[in-house]
Amino acid sequence: EAEVAQSPRYKITEKSQAVAFWCDPISGHATLYWYRQILGQGPELLVQFQDESVVDDSQLPKDRFSAERLKGVDSTLKIQPAELGDSAMYLCASSFPLAGVSNEQFFGPGTRLTVL
Amino acid sequence: EDQVTQSPEALRLQEGESSSLNCSYTVSGLRGLFWYRQDPGKGPEFLFTLYSAGEEKEKERLKATLTKKESFLHITAPKPEDSATYLCAVRGGTYKYIFGTGTRLKVLA
Repeated sequence: EAEVAQSPRYKITEKSQAVAFWCDPISGHATLYWYRQILGQGPELLVQFQDESVVDDSQLPKDRFSAERLKGVDSTLKIQPAELGDSAMYLCASSFPLAGVSNEQFFGPGTRLTVL
Repeated sequence: EDQVTQSPEALRLQEGESSSLNCSYTVSGLRGLFWYRQDPGKGPEFLFTLYSAGEEKEKERLKATLTKKESFLHITAPKPEDSATYLCAVRGGTYKYIFGTGTRLKVLA
């Protein structure tokens, strides 16, 4: 069964350092999402890609976060510099968009980030 | 502004004790209501999509229903392996997925 891949699974870093997360969506899924999930809360959308284009990054803290999906397949989310409040689970999801239909998202296992 | 509120925050059931989880939503132009299951330390796992009031979907011991203001996830005769956090999400006119904070379900043997 096809799955969304993410790495690393766990990352511990010190504040002010740079971190990067990688996501490989399900093959053929044109839409890719990065979410942040703080413990005890629901996922919050950070950025959404349609192929290689950003369609929504309104909740992305652009002073420190960046995301790219250069070839419209895998994606990288970067934080520089990391702050204590960035400690969270970072989830990647993908979906196969059909015109006029809201397709379900398939989530990866997530990257648990701890900033010390 | 699109909003999703889930209740209760936490629920403890005895094995076999049926119950329902609630998801209340406010959205302009509903384009889908989604239920996910999330185990600790893992990503959410898709369960159901509902599109219009009156729609119902079932999977094993789970049944999801939808009205114009809320959705229910009914759990019939739950087992300990049903213990998880259940997340509700909506997609409205902005095409953005808005998640609730989830209901943490614990089923005791």
